[in-house]
Amino acid sequence: QKEVEQDPGPLSVPEGAIVSLNCTYSNSAFQYFMWYRQYSRKGPELLMYTYSSGNKEDGRFTAQVDKSSKYISLFIRDSQPSDSATYLCAMRSGNNRLAFGKGNQVVVIP
Amino acid sequence: GAVVSQHPSWVICKSGTSVKIECRSLDFQATTMFWYRQFPKQSLMLMATSNEGSKATYEQGVEKDKFLINHASLTLSTLTVTSAHPEDSSFYICSARQDSNQPQHFGDGTRLSIL
Repeated sequence: QKEVEQDPGPLSVPEGAIVSLNCTYSNSAFQYFMWYRQYSRKGPELLMYTYSSGNKEDGRFTAQVDKSSKYISLFIRDSQPSDSATYLCAMRSGNNRLAFGKGNQVVVIP
Repeated sequence: GAVVSQHPSWVICKSGTSVKIECRSLDFQATTMFWYRQFPKQSLMLMATSNEGSKATYEQGVEKDKFLINHASLTLSTLTVTSAHPEDSSFYICSARQDSNQPQHFGDGTRLSIL
């Protein structure tokens, strides 16, 4: 079983819809959870960073962490064509390396 | 947000050439920097981790004499691909982190093409 599972998609949604992304993981020691957005031929850009369980909201983005279920989510409200990108979940325990999901390609159709 | 600058963004060079890629954290001091390689439509593969002033720790299968990493200061790390060959062509991305409680921030990557 991979440490982090993320359905690679692709996921196509109409403009204005809510985009829902999620990852599951197997390592219960993970404490730090991140979502990155990566445009083609660019490096990943940090969107959300959470520690332990709970919700975090930043503008149109909401991140949820459920450590009991080993499940994290990212929601994008009022999606825009500029949100079309690959979204990577990542997580780590302590000072260890990041474990990444495979990335989920999102296409927002105007 | 935190900014990590990576230079150059694109390099094309002949086989046998050595190529140096720079990674700078512009608005924070990075105690730890990371170097990744990414193949098309795949996730990032960690090559090595470096702490300022220390030797880099390489991942299994990554040749340390081939990929030289220098983390000379809290804001600068360099990756030198020595005697590059076509199979070294890839997208190289650096990342920096201020401390273990902070997230990693990534540079915009360097596309390396070896002819």
